[in-house]
Amino acid sequence: ILNVEQSPQSLHVQEGDSTNFTCSFPSSNFYALHWYRWETAKSPEALFVMTLNGDEKKKGRISATLNTKEGYSYLYIKGSQPEDSATYLCAPSTPISSGSARQLTFGSGTQLTVLP
Amino acid sequence: DAGVTQSPTHLIKTRGQHVTLRCSPISGHKSVSWYQQVLGQGPQFIFQYYEKEERGRGNFPDRFSARQFPNYSSELNVNALLLGDSALYLCASSFVFTGAQYFGPGTRLLVL
Repeated sequence: ILNVEQSPQSLHVQEGDSTNFTCSFPSSNFYALHWYRWETAKSPEALFVMTLNGDEKKKGRISATLNTKEGYSYLYIKGSQPEDSATYLCAPSTPISSGSARQLTFGSGTQLTVLP
Repeated sequence: DAGVTQSPTHLIKTRGQHVTLRCSPISGHKSVSWYQQVLGQGPQFIFQYYEKEERGRGNFPDRFSARQFPNYSSELNVNALLLGDSALYLCASSFVFTGAQYFGPGTRLLVL
């Protein structure tokens, strides 16, 4: 079973602060790294899919980097806003041994609260 | 375009009963995956279907089964429900089984 760790588990920041979270995963047998934002009572929203070592992706104030050799990804939020409050999940995509599909193995997430 | 839809949104069952959860993927998506999420943990992979065939199965007992229909919608069935099956069940669709997955709002199942 793949061990995906996210830190911190929860985080409270003030509006305007910049913040970052970490996702660690085994670097072998890796296909892609997915980041999702999950607001309460909504569907998880896909943020980024990254595959290459050194990949950097950006979406507005949110960006992410990927290091496949050492097995980690960082998610950065610049100038946090209250609407950024959500749980941020990472999930490496790895082959499923029983077939040709790939499964997402999720970490427990980082719960971000942005205080106005 | 409509996103992934799931029904019902909430469900209460008793131990030993059977439940069927339904999922309609985004139009044009041919792959559907099912996940179970319990409080405090990330979603756990149950099944993936592509072109109506099972392409992958997670570490769940045989009480869990699924199928995909010709219109690419999918059902997740759970027999002989246990208290521990209480969870949020998420469905995700993707264009191909290796692509980005888009999630529905989930079905919250409570087993009493």
